[in-house]
Amino acid sequence: EDKVVQSPLSLVVHEGDTVTLNCSYEVTNFRSLLWYKQEKKAPTFLFMLTSSGIEKKSGRLSSILDKKELFSILNITATQTGDSAVYLCAGEYGNKLVFGAGTILRVKS
Amino acid sequence: DTAVSQTPKYLVTQMGNDKSIKCEQNLGHDTMYWYKQDSKKFLKIMFSYNNKELIINETVPNRFSPKSPDKAHLNLHINSLELGDSAVYFCASSPSPETQYFGPGTRLLVL
Repeated sequence: EDKVVQSPLSLVVHEGDTVTLNCSYEVTNFRSLLWYKQEKKAPTFLFMLTSSGIEKKSGRLSSILDKKELFSILNITATQTGDSAVYLCAGEYGNKLVFGAGTILRVKS
Repeated sequence: DTAVSQTPKYLVTQMGNDKSIKCEQNLGHDTMYWYKQDSKKFLKIMFSYNNKELIINETVPNRFSPKSPDKAHLNLHINSLELGDSAVYFCASSPSPETQYFGPGTRLLVL
């Protein structure tokens, strides 16, 4: 059965800290891995990763995929209270996304 | 302009009732989805339609029936609502599977 596992389930840090969120996957016919940020409402897209070892960056966020070990990490540097959210990763194949349960990140000021 | 919209935003109803949730996208995408997000925030795909045609139908009770009158709309009808149906239901549309635009969600509470 296809599955995506995220860790940790929740995390509390102080502003300015750096965090690393983990995502491992077992997805048949895997094509890409996606990261989303979900605040109060709908998930918003962060990154799509298709190739191993190539880091994608957007401001203080970065992510990388390891297709050999079947995992991805999402790094957030110099965290801010606005980074508090649920971070979801999803494995994509065919026309489907298989989501992990998410990591709840809380950044304290 | 709202890209993916859902109505209603909140729905509180009694067990056994039948209810519908509507979704509309103005992005011109061919593919639309319904997801269910439970209380633990786990987001799971339910259905996917491409150009009004059902392409994904996960293991969902047949009390749930999607309907796509045209490619800009994908509605979800739920018969005989049960307590376990309480969740947030998200509609999404996409030009390709890896890039999905989510609607704001419909929070359903079955009493």
